[in-house]
Amino acid sequence: DIVMTQAPLSVSVTPGESASISCRSSKSLLHSNGITYVYWYLQKPGKSPQLLIYRMSNLASGVPDRFSGSGSETDFTLKISRVEAEDVGIYYCGQLLENPLTFGSGTKLEIK
Amino acid sequence: EVQLVESGGGLVQPGRSMKLSCAASGFTFSNYGMAWVRQAPTKGLEWVATISYDGSSTYYRDSVKGRFTISRDNAKSTLYLQMNSLRSEDTATYYCTKTGSSGFAYWGQGTLVTVSS
Repeated sequence: DIVMTQAPLSVSVTPGESASISCRSSKSLLHSNGITYVYWYLQKPGKSPQLLIYRMSNLASGVPDRFSGSGSETDFTLKISRVEAEDVGIYYCGQLLENPLTFGSGTKLEIK
Repeated sequence: EVQLVESGGGLVQPGRSMKLSCAASGFTFSNYGMAWVRQAPTKGLEWVATISYDGSSTYYRDSVKGRFTISRDNAKSTLYLQMNSLRSEDTATYYCTKTGSSGFAYWGQGTLVTVSS
């Protein structure tokens, strides 16, 4: 199984500042078709998860452009610029390269 | 607007069965793969099963293989998860998701399954 390792476990951010969350996969998520199958989700308190970034760097519909994704074959970063109070929750990375589909253990973002 | 509405959760005894449903609307259901993802209380996300757009292909995590069956009725725009031989470790909120290469793009509100005597 592909293991997704996230860091840090939690992050506390001042509104207006930036935050970065890291995710590392145990296997390259770069497919031979050139697509990197890593995704980012946010689960706000008491809510269902929502898709933020797909295929490493594509912004999902309706997601503010303060969110961005980047990375290589095994190391990925979610960056949140100008953090707002509504960004609190748990962020998960996930891979869709192969079954079983797997997620990271989550990074909790809090506001200072 | 895409909507996914799960139902069928509740309290069930270990070893018993339960069937979850997910009613989809707002998109052409028969064109998309669908999946179930679960989340145990206070835990992270765990993929359970995926079904192709036409139901011809299904995939399961090892821990549910042989006990759970994912299926769909495209005429009714409904996704199902038949869960047999339930165990305490299956206790979780089960989410129905619309899937594809763009990821788990839409999620339902979830339905809680509690396996306990």
